[in-house]
Amino acid sequence: SAVISQKPSRDICQRGTSLTIQCQVDSQVTMMFWYRQQPGQSLTLIATANQGSEATYESGFVIDKFPISRPNLTFSTLTVSNMSPEDSSIYLCSVEDRGKGNYGYTFGSGTRLTVV
Amino acid sequence: DQQVKQNSPSLSVQEGRISILNCDYTNSMFDYFLWYKKYPAEGPTFLISISSIKDKNEDGRFTVFLNKSAKHLSLHIVPSQPGDSAVYFCAAETSGSRLTFGEGTQLTVNP
Repeated sequence: SAVISQKPSRDICQRGTSLTIQCQVDSQVTMMFWYRQQPGQSLTLIATANQGSEATYESGFVIDKFPISRPNLTFSTLTVSNMSPEDSSIYLCSVEDRGKGNYGYTFGSGTRLTVV
Repeated sequence: DQQVKQNSPSLSVQEGRISILNCDYTNSMFDYFLWYKKYPAEGPTFLISISSIKDKNEDGRFTVFLNKSAKHLSLHIVPSQPGDSAVYFCAAETSGSRLTFGEGTQLTVNP
């Protein structure tokens, strides 16, 4: 199955600043997904990132706040811009993983962001 | 609109006994269901899935049951082990859509 390296694993940031999260996959994948898990809540999809095209954002998420890059088939970044304490969450990237016997998704280890 | 719900935020079970984690959904278009396990400071790990054309899928100690008429699925772990202690998320999707996750259930298996 795919292996995802996500960094940073955690960060504490000042409000008004931006943080860029990176995900590197050990194989080429068409789509990468970015999720947010706010404290005590489920995982919510932010956007889907395809290589060579604009990311597709879910309702409630906008490109100005969460710009995404997808320069090639193994790498993507998510930037959390102009941060406020409400952005404190775990951010995860994910890829479809058809290498398993069952059809599933593989996730990165997550970035725990605290905005102060 | 929470389309996938896990109504039990926590479950505590004795080692060796059965753990049953429940999940309900409202969208009848969902046709694929997945369970994930998440340890602290790690990303979710895929456990087991089931297509809507089936009512049961088994993989070792893990079995997922799907009751389409009730829009309900459950994950059975037997026998439960202390290493199974984690947060379990159910998720659902339709063709062309993305995963919708439940809120998670914290399972604690006591030695």
